[in-house]
Amino acid sequence: EIVMTQSPATLSVSPGERATLSCGASQSVSNSLAWYQQKPGQAPRLLIYGASTRATGIPARFTGSGSGTAFTLTISSLQSEDFAVYYCQQYNNWPPITFGQGTRLEIK
Amino acid sequence: QVQLQESGPGLVKPSETLSLTCTVSGGSTSSYYWSWIRQPPGKGLEWIGYIYNSGSSNYNPSLKSRVTISGDTSKNQFSLKLRSVTAADTALYYCARNISPGRFAYDIWGQGTMVTVSP
Repeated sequence: EIVMTQSPATLSVSPGERATLSCGASQSVSNSLAWYQQKPGQAPRLLIYGASTRATGIPARFTGSGSGTAFTLTISSLQSEDFAVYYCQQYNNWPPITFGQGTRLEIK
Repeated sequence: QVQLQESGPGLVKPSETLSLTCTVSGGSTSSYYWSWIRQPPGKGLEWIGYIYNSGSSNYNPSLKSRVTISGDTSKNQFSLKLRSVTAADTALYYCARNISPGRFAYDIWGQGTMVTVSP
C-alpha cells in the first residue's frame, strides 16, 4: 500500500497571501495524484488531477505540481472561501487507492 | 449533470451488515467506475472499493473479506454491503464517480450518509 503523507497538518495563512501544501508518497505514483478541498459538512471537491490539471470550474489560483513522490498544491492570493481541509490522493498503484491525512488551512 | 445520492440505515448494530445504496441521476451507471469512500468522524478519507459496469469490482484489501459492491443498471443504482461491522466502521459514507475510465480522481460525490455502529 502506498502511504501518502501531507505536511503541515495545519497551516495558518492570512487572506491574500500564498499557501503551499505538500504531499509525499512512499513510492512513486508518477503523476497519478489528485487534490481535494473539503469544507465542514460538505463532500470533498476535486481541485487537481494528474498532479497539475485543474478540474472543471476550479480557479486559476489553485496550482498543482510535482511527480513521482513529491507534490505541491499552491494557492495564490488566498480568498476567504479557500480556508478548508485539503487532501491528496494517489491512484497509480491500487488497490487500495490512498489518501493523505489532510492539511487544515486556517486563517491567520 | 450527474448527481449521486446515498441512502440506507443510519444505525447498525455490531456484528450486523451495513447496507447502503447510491442512486445515480442525470447519467447511466453502465460506464465509469462507481466507488464507495468513507470518512470516520473527524478523520480522513478511506477508499472502500468500486464496481464497473455492474460487473467487475475491486476492494480495499483491509476490508475485502467483509465488503461487497454490486450494481443494478436497470435502476441506475449501486450498493455497498459491509458485513460484521464494529464501532470502527462508524463513518460518513460517500459514493463517488471517477473523472474518466482508469483515472481514479473523483469529480462527482454524493452528499454522504452517516452510519453509526452501536448496540
